[in-house]
This record gives sequence, C-alpha cells and structure tokens, in this order.
Amino acid sequence: GAVVSQHPSRVICKSGTSVKIECRSLDFQATTMFWYRQFPKQSLMLMATSNEGSKATYEQGVEKDKFLINHASLTLSTLTVTSAHPEDSSFYICSATPSVGDEQYFGPGTRLTVT
Amino acid sequence: SQELEQSPQSLIVQEGKNLTINCTSSKTLYGLYWYKQKYGEGLIFLMMLQKGGEEKSHEKITAKLDEKKQQSSLHITASQPSHAGIYLCGAGGANNLFFGTGTRLTVIP
Repeated sequence: GAVVSQHPSRVICKSGTSVKIECRSLDFQATTMFWYRQFPKQSLMLMATSNEGSKATYEQGVEKDKFLINHASLTLSTLTVTSAHPEDSSFYICSATPSVGDEQYFGPGTRLTVT
Repeated sequence: SQELEQSPQSLIVQEGKNLTINCTSSKTLYGLYWYKQKYGEGLIFLMMLQKGGEEKSHEKITAKLDEKKQQSSLHITASQPSHAGIYLCGAGGANNLFFGTGTRLTVIP
C-alpha cells in the first residue's frame, strides 16, 4: 500500500530558530501534498495544499512567511517553521495523494516542541 | 496500534436518501473525529465526539459515539450531491493519529 513518511518524528527547538519537517511518499508519486496541524484535544486543521512545482496554497489565517512549504519533487514536500515560538508547538501531519480526487495517505506526524 | 475500520468502503445512494457510515475501533475510543475529503481538497473537519453516548449534529449530518461498542456512526439525512466525497474517522491522542479506512460516498442526482 501507499506509504508516507515524515521526518523527524519528534523535534525540540529553541525559540527563534527554524525547523524543517520532511514529508515523503515512499512508493508513489504525489502530485499533491497537504499539511495539517493538530493542537491537543482539537481537530486536525488544514494549513496548506502544495502541488509539485508550484507555490503552496495556504488556508486563511496561516502565515505564509512563517510556515514555508516547498514541494520540490513528486515524492518530497517540506514544511519549515521559521523563527519558531512556543505557540508553534504542535503536532504536524502531512498527507499525499497520487492525483486529484484520490484518497489521501497520511504520514505518522511530527511532534514539534519549541522551548 | 489502534485500528479503525470503516464500513461500507463505498456507498452509492440516490439523492434524498438517508445513509449511515460506521467506524469501529480495535481499542477503546476516548474521542473520535469525523472528516470529509472533498474532491481534490484537504480534509474538512466535521465534528468531534469525546464522551460515550455523545451525539452531535451539523446541518443534515449526525454523529454518535458508542464507547462500549468502540464504535461511531455518521448519519446523513436526505443526502444531496454536495455530500459526496470520502468520509474519514480519526482517533488518537496528542502524539499520534489514526484514521479509518475511509468511505467513498456517491450521491446520484
């Protein structure tokens, strides 16, 4: 079956630094990848949609300059949290889909803690 | 790990008909989310259930959580073409998320 990996699974960084999270589709080419954020005991929130080779589409309220998304290839998308602050601490999960309209395959998530 | 099985895997209904999607967990449910995937878009949050016996409604969609049965059901009344999509249940805690196998709903006008 389709597998999506995320790296790292957990990361702790200091306030003011940047951290990059990778999302890879291991056995299929993902034309579209999605980035979600989940706060404890809250629902999953879509942050942005990225298509390979084009700029990501951000959801309302998500800061583009803070959450940089790069979908450089059909198997890799990265999310960079710039100048991280404690309020950015959260669980970030990505998903990938082979083509528009297909099911999404979810990564295992990355737990970010900003101290 | 927790496994969530949804049934049916796919469903085709005539517009105006009612339908139910089930989500069964391999472990005790401490909370459950229902999402909908619209065509070509990311997941849309529908509702979250936290307590056994809890029932929530939003427009024509009602979801219930039965902790004893480790099951949740999503019921759509008088379905419309706009209800078409893939419905996912999800469960987990702060450090992990598990999603159901998904149910693809087609509504025929």
